[in-house]
Amino acid sequence: DTAVSQTPKYLVTQMGNDKSIKCEQNLGHDTMYWYKQDSKKFLKIMFSYNNKELIINETVPNRFSPKSPDKAHLNLHINSLELGDSAVYFCASSSPSSGSYEQYFGPGTRLTVT
Amino acid sequence: AQSVSQHNHHVILSEAASLELGCNYSYGGTVNLFWYVQYPGQHLQLLLKYFSGDPLVKGIKGFEAEFIKSKFSFNLRKPSVQWSDTAEYFCAVTARGDSNYQLIWGAGTKLIIKP
Repeated sequence: DTAVSQTPKYLVTQMGNDKSIKCEQNLGHDTMYWYKQDSKKFLKIMFSYNNKELIINETVPNRFSPKSPDKAHLNLHINSLELGDSAVYFCASSSPSSGSYEQYFGPGTRLTVT
Repeated sequence: AQSVSQHNHHVILSEAASLELGCNYSYGGTVNLFWYVQYPGQHLQLLLKYFSGDPLVKGIKGFEAEFIKSKFSFNLRKPSVQWSDTAEYFCAVTARGDSNYQLIWGAGTKLIIKP
C-alpha cells in the first residue's frame, strides 16, 4: 500500500563504487523527482521526469544518471561515489498535469560513502 | 529567479506555546503554496496547501497558514504546540503554469518543543 517506495533504505559503500537507488510510485502520477538532502536538511532538486521525459536536470555531477523505464519508476544510478555524495536521497511524485502540484515523498535512502 | 525565505532556522518553544513560522516568496504571478513537515528520521509529509480561495487554510494536526498576497507571505501557525510537533518544517512554492512543475523550497525551520 506504500504510495512512494524506495530501495534500499540504507546504503553504505566505499568511495569509487557504483550504486543504484530505485523508486516506485503507485499513485498513478505522471511526474517523479529525485532530491538530495544534506546534513543541514537543505533540499536540493536533482532531476525530474514527466511521462518518462527528463524535464529538470539541475547542476549535478554527470556521475549521477537517472533512468525512468516507465511512469511509475524513476531510478538513480551513481558512478564513482565520493565522500560528498553522502546524504539522504528522496524520491517524490506528483500529478501537475491534472492540477495537483503537491509532491508525495518516499521514505528516503540514506547513503553513506566511506 | 523565484526564491523562498524561511526567516527562522531554529525555533525552541515550550509545550502549549503558540507557534508562527515565517515564509516569504519572491514571484509576482499566481502561486501554489505548501508547508511540509519532516519528523526526525522520516520523510516529508504535506501539512497543508493553498491553491485558491480562502487565504486561511487549515491542515493536519491543528496547523493553519495564511496567504497574504500583498506581503508575499504564507506563515504557518499553531495555537498550542505539543512535544510531538518537534520536527523540521519546509515552506515550498510553485508558480502556476510552470511547465517544469518545480517546487521551490525554503531552507527549513527546525522546531524543538521542550516538554
